[in-house]
Amino acid sequence: DSGVTQTPKHLITATGQRVTLRCSPRSGDLSVYWYQQSLDQGLQFLIQYYNGEERAKGNILERFSAQQFPDLHSELNLSSLELGDSALYFCASSVGPNSADLFGQGTRLTVV
Amino acid sequence: GENVEQHPSTLSVQEGDSAVIKCTYSDSASNYFPWYKQELGKRPQLIIDIRSNVGEKKDQRIAVTLNKTAKHFSLHITETQPEDSAVYFCAATYGGSQGNLIFGKGTKLSVKP
Repeated sequence: DSGVTQTPKHLITATGQRVTLRCSPRSGDLSVYWYQQSLDQGLQFLIQYYNGEERAKGNILERFSAQQFPDLHSELNLSSLELGDSALYFCASSVGPNSADLFGQGTRLTVV
Repeated sequence: GENVEQHPSTLSVQEGDSAVIKCTYSDSASNYFPWYKQELGKRPQLIIDIRSNVGEKKDQRIAVTLNKTAKHFSLHITETQPEDSAVYFCAATYGGSQGNLIFGKGTKLSVKP
């Protein structure tokens, strides 16, 4: 599959816990973007990496962090989880540093 | 803070009619305006985009227009088909970075056969 791959597809965890979401970009893409989609906040840009370096930062909470590894996959770490963090988390990728053009299927996080 | 307003929130049209969705943005430095289509339970898909040095862009039945002076841009879908039914999101760059997008709240388009 040459698309954007996100794992896991679903995640249920308790408040206060920490989780890691993983994203493998489309083959050849150097940029990875993370977005959060919830009913009340809508779609929000969190953070972008380009070729291993942070490129842009959006509404990402201090409890959240991300990184892009040398093989270009990325991980989004969410800690001290709250009920309000329940959402769909999308990863997207693009060849250049400019804008996301292919989204992954998303990880649905439920915090209970 | 910076934001993107999108209207209408819901839109129902008959198959074959045109649909127009409008967005306004507040950051005068915004220079890139993509539109995404999201079908129920699926991921957003980039359907068309426009950069600030262009006033209009067309791709088959879809077109986007941009008025930088008024800070608004619109999506036009002609000859709508049932498969166009989805939620459409507009977005605009923020803070001078094309990666940093602010999204509208979405428009749920229903095309009735």
